[in-house]
Amino acid sequence: SQQGEEDPQALSIQEGENATMNCSYKTSINNLQWYRQNSGRGLVHLILIRSNEREKHSGRLRVTLDTSKKSSSLLITASRAADTASYFCATGSGSARQLTFGSGTQLTVLP
Amino acid sequence: NAGVMQNPRHLVRRRGQEARLRCSPMKGHSHVYWYRQLPEEGLKFMVYLQKENIIDESGMPKERFSAEFPKEGPSILRIQQVVRGDSAAYFCASSIAGGTSYNEQFFGPGTRLTVL
Repeated sequence: SQQGEEDPQALSIQEGENATMNCSYKTSINNLQWYRQNSGRGLVHLILIRSNEREKHSGRLRVTLDTSKKSSSLLITASRAADTASYFCATGSGSARQLTFGSGTQLTVLP
Repeated sequence: NAGVMQNPRHLVRRRGQEARLRCSPMKGHSHVYWYRQLPEEGLKFMVYLQKENIIDESGMPKERFSAEFPKEGPSILRIQQVVRGDSAAYFCASSIAGGTSYNEQFFGPGTRLTVL
């Protein structure tokens, strides 16, 4: 079965800097989604990108998808301390409705 | 417009007891998914249900675990004779009916199960 893998596992930056997280997966997908999880809390949906899309923006978030390399990146611009959280990519594929999650990137934004 | 609701938020059980986790999907959503998250790991799919039907339970352990989504009421994830290894956060998600797997899943706050 496929599995999304985020890179890096942990990232620490200063407030105002940009944060880039990467996700790789193994098999063909229909869509890829990014979620945020604050410590001990539930998941918040950030953005969904379909397999026929290459880039998508939402506020300070920019997601790219390269299906030839089976990878995606999440860019958070002008980071804030409140962006501190774990970020997960999740893929949907074929006729399956469930999402396959990676192990996440722990982002720490220092004030 | 309430989101996905799960209760209880925290549940403590002793080994051998039963755990019942409840999930109410978002209004208008008839597809429910259960995921389990172990500490420092991502979410792992367990089961996908529609009203009165289990569609995909490929992620469910073969024994002690069961799920249902009745015509009326919340979806229930039931764990019988819990063991310490069942300690985890259990998340429920819901999505709208129809369409393709493009549908976005909305997650509840999770139930954190601790087995003593």
